[in-house]
Amino acid sequence: QQQVKQSPQSLIVQKGGISIINCAYENTAFDYFPWYQQFPGKGPALLIAIRPDVSEKKEGRFTISFNKSAKQFSLHIMDSQPGDSATYFCAASPHNKLVFGAGTILRVKS
Amino acid sequence: EAGVAQSPRYKIIEKRQSVAFWCNPISGHATLYWYQQILGQGPKLLIQFQNNGVVDDSQLPKDRFSAERLKGVDSTLKIQPAKLEDSAVYLCASSSLGTGRKGYEQYFGPGTRLTVT
Repeated sequence: QQQVKQSPQSLIVQKGGISIINCAYENTAFDYFPWYQQFPGKGPALLIAIRPDVSEKKEGRFTISFNKSAKQFSLHIMDSQPGDSATYFCAASPHNKLVFGAGTILRVKS
Repeated sequence: EAGVAQSPRYKIIEKRQSVAFWCNPISGHATLYWYQQILGQGPKLLIQFQNNGVVDDSQLPKDRFSAERLKGVDSTLKIQPAKLEDSAVYLCASSSLGTGRKGYEQYFGPGTRLTVT
């Protein structure tokens, strides 16, 4: 019940395309859903986050879509660039802690 | 604003040896976390401190791992004795919000890559 399931494990997108990463959770106590971006040799960096009282949040080329009834949320990266190539983690927060998904390795081909 | 600092960045030890990692959180951040990230997996919370008190250490293997946060600022994580399966990146994170509030932002350090041979 504390798990967050993330898919796909890896993703290859052409430059300018849309990257979509999906996550699903079980625990209805989760009340905060961040996405983190991690480059090799670096710690995860907060990208964008959403709370369950809204269905969508957009920041620049990054959008979170949230479906509370389905217990699913997704990250959309518009106009994907080679510099976006990294590992992306979804996470969910029950009571101020973070439970992470397994990660998606994104490669944007130029 | 300076980020979360960690040292050392890399450490190689033999099994059954001991090792310690150090973390300095963002100034003013009351909450500090230690995570273990095994290659190909997401980070897993080991321990959470609020100031110098432990909030959650339910996933810390207490027979070999210990952590402290004296004076509510810096923290050290120790492994003694190390096992092969402890090979991972150990991440420190901090946040400015305490427990009981909904939503927070955690800021991660660069991590310490531990290899146990």
